[in-house]
Amino acid sequence: TQLLEQSPQFLSIQEGENLTVYCNSSSVFSSLQWYRQEPGEGPVLLVTVVTGGEVKKLKRLTFQFGDARKDSSLHITAAQPGDTGLYLCAGALTGTYKYIFGTGTRLKVLA
Amino acid sequence: SQTIHQWPATLVQPVGSPLSLECTVEGTSNPNLYWYRQAAGRGLQLLFYSIGIGQISSEVPQNLSASRPQDRQFILSSKKLLLSDSGFYLCAWSLLRGGTEAFFGQGTRLTVV
Repeated sequence: TQLLEQSPQFLSIQEGENLTVYCNSSSVFSSLQWYRQEPGEGPVLLVTVVTGGEVKKLKRLTFQFGDARKDSSLHITAAQPGDTGLYLCAGALTGTYKYIFGTGTRLKVLA
Repeated sequence: SQTIHQWPATLVQPVGSPLSLECTVEGTSNPNLYWYRQAAGRGLQLLFYSIGIGQISSEVPQNLSASRPQDRQFILSSKKLLLSDSGFYLCAWSLLRGGTEAFFGQGTRLTVV
């Protein structure tokens, strides 16, 4: 059973387009993190969202945590080829130390 | 500052051979430690995690095992590798008490032939 489902699984867009990646669960998380991973390397943290309904912005990236703390989204405005990579959401189930990752979204931005 | 070391970076092993991947963390005490496996282009599958010396939680029944002989050392082992054990293995640490971000080693690309 996959506790964190991401959609879409793959996304190929043109430079300048906008996109949204979703991370959904039926479980409640104390917080959620978003990572970006390059091939052959470990994931690198982009942001942590903690409070239900929280919105955080990181340049052209906007992250939102659902009100019930069961889901999150990542929106990229005016995507650039440098945004290409694997995007992962992750979190620890409330009250546990079990840190799990989403299924991943592979983004390719074409110049 | 905290650092995590994972080795080797790449490994090619024959089917049936043993495995030992090691991960050490510096600059922090009593971290939570994790082993993940990743298929190409996909998310990370949690294999084992540990909240203290000798305390191992297994998430996926398989022919792999993990041990934590010291506070900042986490070892992933197998007595006999299978072809299906091939993949990208990542070690990570976190301090859930202070925030739940996980920090990763560079990973080990394991190919079982």
